[in-house]
Amino acid sequence: DQQVKQNSPSLSVQEGRISILNCDYTNSMFDYFLWYKKYPAEGPTFLISISSIKDKNEDGRFTVFLNKSAKHLSLHIVPSQPGDSAVYFCAASPITSGTYKYIFGTGTRLKVLA
Amino acid sequence: DTAVSQTPKYLVTQMGNDKSIKCEQNLGHDTMYWYKQDSKKFLKIMFSYNNKELIINETVPNRFSPKSPDKAHLNLHINSLELGDSAVYFCASSRTGSSSSYTFGSGTRLTVV
Repeated sequence: DQQVKQNSPSLSVQEGRISILNCDYTNSMFDYFLWYKKYPAEGPTFLISISSIKDKNEDGRFTVFLNKSAKHLSLHIVPSQPGDSAVYFCAASPITSGTYKYIFGTGTRLKVLA
Repeated sequence: DTAVSQTPKYLVTQMGNDKSIKCEQNLGHDTMYWYKQDSKKFLKIMFSYNNKELIINETVPNRFSPKSPDKAHLNLHINSLELGDSAVYFCASSRTGSSSSYTFGSGTRLTVV
């Protein structure tokens, strides 16, 4: 049962344009959402987060949008740069007694073309 | 001065063997995790320890046994390795109650032949 889904395994975008990565979830108990970026042969690194009480969080070129009614979140990267080429994972967690247990999607490979 | 370090980075072994993967973090975090990324790229949580106490134990065969000698270390021992255990295993750490990120290690690629 895949509770967090990233239905696009890959995405190619021209440098300077917007990259939009999508993520859907099924569990309405999820309270907190993260995006991670992963380069080959490295562990995932944290990018940006959003809690369920917000619908948008912005950090520089990265913005995450949350649509709770649709159980959908997206990551926007503007402008996209070649160094953004990586695999992006979304992750979601309920909050139970202060403990977070993140469930990850399968990732979307972003390629930014120079 | 790597924040979360795992050893070894690569591990190739035969079916039936027993092997261990070690993880250490120097971030002062009190919660550590093991995740498995299988061939389908799912990143699935296996275990979580908080201050040496097991707090998350997903449906994992009991051939997998985590051990946390102190809150900076979380090792994973696997008995009687099977072909299906081949995967990349990631260690991670975080601060209790922190909603923010885990810090991941760079992974251990285990190949069982």
